[in-house]
Amino acid sequence: EDKVVQSPLSLVVHEGDTVTLNCSYEVTNFRSLLWYKQEKKAPTFLFMLTSSGIEKKSGRLSSILDKKELFSILNITATQTGDSAVYLCAVRGTGAGSYQLTFGKGTKLSVIP
Amino acid sequence: NAGVTQTPKFQVLKTGQSMTLQCAQDMNHEYMSWYRQDPGMGLRLIHYSVGAGITDQGEVPNGYNVSRSTTEDFPLRLLSAAPSQTSVYFCASSYSGTGLYEQYFGPGTRLTVT
Repeated sequence: EDKVVQSPLSLVVHEGDTVTLNCSYEVTNFRSLLWYKQEKKAPTFLFMLTSSGIEKKSGRLSSILDKKELFSILNITATQTGDSAVYLCAVRGTGAGSYQLTFGKGTKLSVIP
Repeated sequence: NAGVTQTPKFQVLKTGQSMTLQCAQDMNHEYMSWYRQDPGMGLRLIHYSVGAGITDQGEVPNGYNVSRSTTEDFPLRLLSAAPSQTSVYFCASSYSGTGLYEQYFGPGTRLTVT
């Protein structure tokens, strides 16, 4: 059974801080790892990672995957109140269906002014 | 493109009632899925479909039925609602053509069963 564990479950930081969110996984025949941001609505896609050691970057957000150690991190630099959200990590393997994503429980990030 | 649409946005049911949550996408995606999201539980897969006429169970399928008669629509049926089905339901679709399988989510349906 595929499994995704995110840590911490919640985090409170001040504006301007840098945060690192963690995602570890166990998956049958890993295909990709995805990060989503969820505010009070549907998850929106941030990154997809398939190769180890290659950083994906979008503005103040970046993510990297370590396929040997089976984890990924999501970094947010110079945090803003608009970054407050639940960040979801998901993995896609070939377990029961190659289209399926297995999600972690999420990290709730609160950025206070 | 409207993307992925879901109706209704909110619904209150009594225990034992049945209803259908609607999901449609206009992106010609072959893969569609239904998730439920409960506090502290993340997103859990209920059912999914890899194309018209093909459906399969996910992690938490009990109490739910699906069908996929067209590429665009993927309704989720609650057969006899129970309080344990109180949740937020998300429909998602994705396309394999780019190899990315990025999932696009609908806005969600908040269901309360009393």
